[in-house]
Amino acid sequence: QVQLQESGAGLVKPSETLSLTCTVSGFSISSGYYWGWIRQPPGKGLEWIGSVYHSGSTYYNPSLKSRVTISVDTSKNQFSLKLSSVTAADTAVYYCARGISVDVWGKGTTVTVSS
Amino acid sequence: DIQMTQSPSSLSASVGDRVTITCQASQDISNYLNWYQQKPGKAPRLLIYDASNLATGVPSRFSGSGSGTDFTFTISSLQPEDIATYYCQQYDNLPPAYTFGQGTKLEIK
Repeated sequence: QVQLQESGAGLVKPSETLSLTCTVSGFSISSGYYWGWIRQPPGKGLEWIGSVYHSGSTYYNPSLKSRVTISVDTSKNQFSLKLSSVTAADTAVYYCARGISVDVWGKGTTVTVSS
Repeated sequence: DIQMTQSPSSLSASVGDRVTITCQASQDISNYLNWYQQKPGKAPRLLIYDASNLATGVPSRFSGSGSGTDFTFTISSLQPEDIATYYCQQYDNLPPAYTFGQGTKLEIK
């Protein structure tokens, strides 16, 4: 079955760049779908960060657009998130996801922004 | 930007009760509305897509309805395993973008 697995640093210093990668198994990214990132601050709701198509076209939440870069590596069947100039407000569980109507989610990875 | 207003923010009900959650969009979104269930410490799970379609493997006690700006999510007979937070999600396809409602935390009375 299709599985998504997030990986990356769990602790990031303020003003630095958060970097996460999602590895997809059981499905080829090149076959279609948008692939995205969603986050959830502690005790709060869900926020879409952005999505990428296998062609490399990207779409971002306007509120984060200036700080976000999402890219795809079809050869590795992975897509990645970079969020720059992080602050404590970026502390959250970060999920990678398949689709706009998200039918497959990663388990999530906790990222804490702290010095 | 389209705003989603989900209500109530929390709800307490008894096993067997009929439970209803609503989501209102700030403008017409046709049927571009999904519902998710999230249990503590877990990723969300898609329950209803395109306002009224049951996702694969989802029990039939879950249903959704509505179009335009007003949407309803219903659990026909609440089960103990339905304790979770429920989110609506509006989406656009061109270009792709989406927004979640604030969530409804459902508890057993």
